[in-house]
Amino acid sequence: EVQLVQSGAEVKKPGESLKISCKGSGYSFTSYWIGWVRQMPGKGLEWMGIIYPGDSDTRYSPSFQGQVTISADKSINTAYLQWSSLKASDTAMYYCARQEEVTSDFDFWGQGTLVTVSS
Amino acid sequence: NFMLTQPHSVSESPGKTVTISCTRSSGSIASNYVQWYQQRPGSAPTTVIYEDTQRPSGVPDRFSGSIDSSSNSASLTISGLKTEDEADYYCQSYDSSNQVFGGGTKLTVL
Repeated sequence: EVQLVQSGAEVKKPGESLKISCKGSGYSFTSYWIGWVRQMPGKGLEWMGIIYPGDSDTRYSPSFQGQVTISADKSINTAYLQWSSLKASDTAMYYCARQEEVTSDFDFWGQGTLVTVSS
Repeated sequence: NFMLTQPHSVSESPGKTVTISCTRSSGSIASNYVQWYQQRPGSAPTTVIYEDTQRPSGVPDRFSGSIDSSSNSASLTISGLKTEDEADYYCQSYDSSNQVFGGGTKLTVL
């Protein structure tokens, strides 16, 4: 059974760093892209970027380039999304999702990680 | 970069048919596949249509997708509406370097 399991909810202060994770199982982790999608409270889905764990090819949305870092550790089937200095506006639900090709749909999704940034 | 524009909300009665549009701002809608996702409150999205017109297994055939090059738009049509179809729906497509979601449409079945 394909599963993407994300790390738990986080509460952080502005300026703090954070790294959230997405662990894949039930499929060949290195053969599919993992994308990250932001959903701010009451708002729509925003594509942040994707990584191909097989060779670490990473692509970012222009809106998120330089704001976050996407990485993966294929030895433990885990992808990451990290911030070096959080802002209150980073408060959102973050989903990881699997994609066979960049032209494909996101066919499996993680359960989401809620990040709250507040002083 | 391109944008995908959806109506903010639509509503229809049970048993009726509703169509949600998704208009691409630049580049041909027919050149890159469009996917459609359903998101119920508190849940992650799930695919209802992929590659413009394809239905994943388990999605009822009441859901269908189409492309209209003349209006540079994609459409999701849901026939025989059920109360369980009430959800947010998002289109998604891509270009050579970017992937984009539409702003989402809230479907109310009343």
